[in-house]
Amino acid sequence: QKEVEQNSGPLSVPEGAIASLNCTYSDRGSQSFFWYRQYSGKSPELIMSIYSNGDKEDGRFTAQLNKASQYVSLLIRDSQPSDSATYLCAYNFGNEKLTFGTGTRLTIIP
Amino acid sequence: EPEVTQTPSHQVTQMGQEVILRCVPISNHLYFYWYRQILGQKVEFLVSFYNNEISEKSEIFDDQFSVERPDGSNFTLKIRSTKLEDSAMYFCASSYRDRHSYEQYFGPGTRLTVT
Repeated sequence: QKEVEQNSGPLSVPEGAIASLNCTYSDRGSQSFFWYRQYSGKSPELIMSIYSNGDKEDGRFTAQLNKASQYVSLLIRDSQPSDSATYLCAYNFGNEKLTFGTGTRLTIIP
Repeated sequence: EPEVTQTPSHQVTQMGQEVILRCVPISNHLYFYWYRQILGQKVEFLVSFYNNEISEKSEIFDDQFSVERPDGSNFTLKIRSTKLEDSAMYFCASSYRDRHSYEQYFGPGTRLTVT
């Protein structure tokens, strides 16, 4: 069964520090990876996509993908209280559906 | 910035009743999806729709569910006879999906409560 594994947290990080979120997946054929942010009671909001091995940076966010290790991570630099949310890792391959992990709850401590 | 919109934001219905959840995808997007999220659980895929037909559906999407694109802008999810276990947040998503991007953008969701 194709799975996405995430540490459910909660992960507590001081304001201004780097938050590191990790995700492993079981499907070696997976090609596209995504990080979504979900505030409580709200919908998933796309913050990063990554398709090839290596790092991809967008503002304070960096996604890292290692297909050989079946591992994708998200780094949030200079963490802000507004970054407190649940972060969902998702992937798809060939077909269209996204497969989501259960999410990691991140709390930024002022 | 273009957004996916959904109506209603909250729907309360009695068990056995039919409900229709409505979505307006981003205007130049070609692929449409429904997902659901039961409280405290992960987001689950229901169905994808392209070129006026279902392209993939999950085991959850049984005969009680149907989707339709009745005009050039709306995309609907119908549940014919709701069950208590259908209570969840239902999210519509859309994507453009060219060879550079497979990103899916989600609407704000409809909270369905079945009593």
